[in-house]
Amino acid sequence: GNSVTQMEGPVTLSEEAFLTINCTYTATGYPSLFWYVQYPGEGLQLLLKATKADDKGSNKGFEATYRKETTSFHLEKGSVQVSDSAVYFCALRTGGYQKVTFGIGTKLQVIP
Amino acid sequence: NAGVTQTPKFQVLKTGQSMTLQCAQDMNHEYMSWYRQDPGMGLRLIHYSVGAGITDQGEVPNGYNVSRSTTEDFPLRLLSAAPSQTSVYFCASRGTSGSTSTDTQYFGPGTRLTVL
Repeated sequence: GNSVTQMEGPVTLSEEAFLTINCTYTATGYPSLFWYVQYPGEGLQLLLKATKADDKGSNKGFEATYRKETTSFHLEKGSVQVSDSAVYFCALRTGGYQKVTFGIGTKLQVIP
Repeated sequence: NAGVTQTPKFQVLKTGQSMTLQCAQDMNHEYMSWYRQDPGMGLRLIHYSVGAGITDQGEVPNGYNVSRSTTEDFPLRLLSAAPSQTSVYFCASRGTSGSTSTDTQYFGPGTRLTVL
């Protein structure tokens, strides 16, 4: 079956530090890949996505590249801010809508 | 355009009680889902619907019922609450291939449920 692996964290960084959150996946077929962000007390919001190999998704300074050869979709940001503190979920979707699989979420804490 | 709304935001139940978590969306999305979020386990799919009158089970359906009588509403019913159902519940919706949001799931703000 499909699965998504990411570290739970927390990941603690100082403001303006470089961020990487690793995400690897196992899936049949050719999944679409997503990063969602959950701010405290809120629901998940789509951060970025990529639908085919070598695509790069980007939004709000975050980037992730769909790497089929390494089955990875690592999230990066060059300079994090305190406002980026949240939980980040990697997810994939194969076939129809209902095949969405989420990772466990990685908590990011950015300190001033 | 309110997006996806959920009520209540918080609920405390005693073991054995029943209740309904409400979910509504005003985006005319066909697809709706219920997830539960537990520490260390991410989001797990409980039930989903691909349109009015059509529902199916997800990964963890036991102890929950759903129905979809309208496109807008997708309530989740706990038949006899158990402490293992203590969790945060999220409803989500997504458009069909004819809309501009086919890849994006829109999540509600969640319902935090405690079963004593």
